[in-house]
Amino acid sequence: QKEVEQNSGPLSVPEGAIASLNCTYSDRGSQSFFWYRQYSGKSPELIMSIYSNGDKEDGRFTAQLNKASQYVSLLIRDSQPSDSATYLCAVKIGGFQKLVFGTGTRLLVSP
Amino acid sequence: DGGITQSPKYLFRKEGQNVTLSCEQNLNHDAMYWYRQDPGQGLRLIYYSQIVNDFQKGDIAEGYSVSREKKESFPLTVTSAQKNPTAFYLCASSGAADTQYFGPGTRLTVL
Repeated sequence: QKEVEQNSGPLSVPEGAIASLNCTYSDRGSQSFFWYRQYSGKSPELIMSIYSNGDKEDGRFTAQLNKASQYVSLLIRDSQPSDSATYLCAVKIGGFQKLVFGTGTRLLVSP
Repeated sequence: DGGITQSPKYLFRKEGQNVTLSCEQNLNHDAMYWYRQDPGQGLRLIYYSQIVNDFQKGDIAEGYSVSREKKESFPLTVTSAQKNPTAFYLCASSGAADTQYFGPGTRLTVL
């Protein structure tokens, strides 16, 4: 079992819809979770971090964490074509600031 | 402007040649990291450094070497022992929080 798993996609949604991206992780002791967005040929940029169970909202983005079920998700409301990118889930595993990344989910938002 | 810079943006290596990738940050972060990204495989950790003059191997350190003589700098050398070095190389740094921020990346190609 991979430490951090994501569906590779592509996930296709129409403009204005809600995109839901999911991530599961294997280490029950993980405490820190991150979502990055990566456009083709570019480096990852941080969207959100989440540390506590529940929802965390930032503009059109909402991160959801459920430690009991070991999953973290990212919702993108009112999806725009500019949201088309690969979304990487990252989980802090171990005592140091080491992150383990999923392979990413490719999101396609059609006009 | 605070941030992370990587150079060069593109690098070409001949067989048997060592090449060095530069990473500099002015965020006053203690920790720095090197990742490799291959298509469909996500980010894999090569080396990381928590503090000046100290660094540890990541998951795929074979064929790579690093140094950390200054807080701001964490260069990566890809040696001739790395048999498949063609990839996108990403440098990141983090401060007291867990969050890692990435540089723009270096794309290395073997000729």
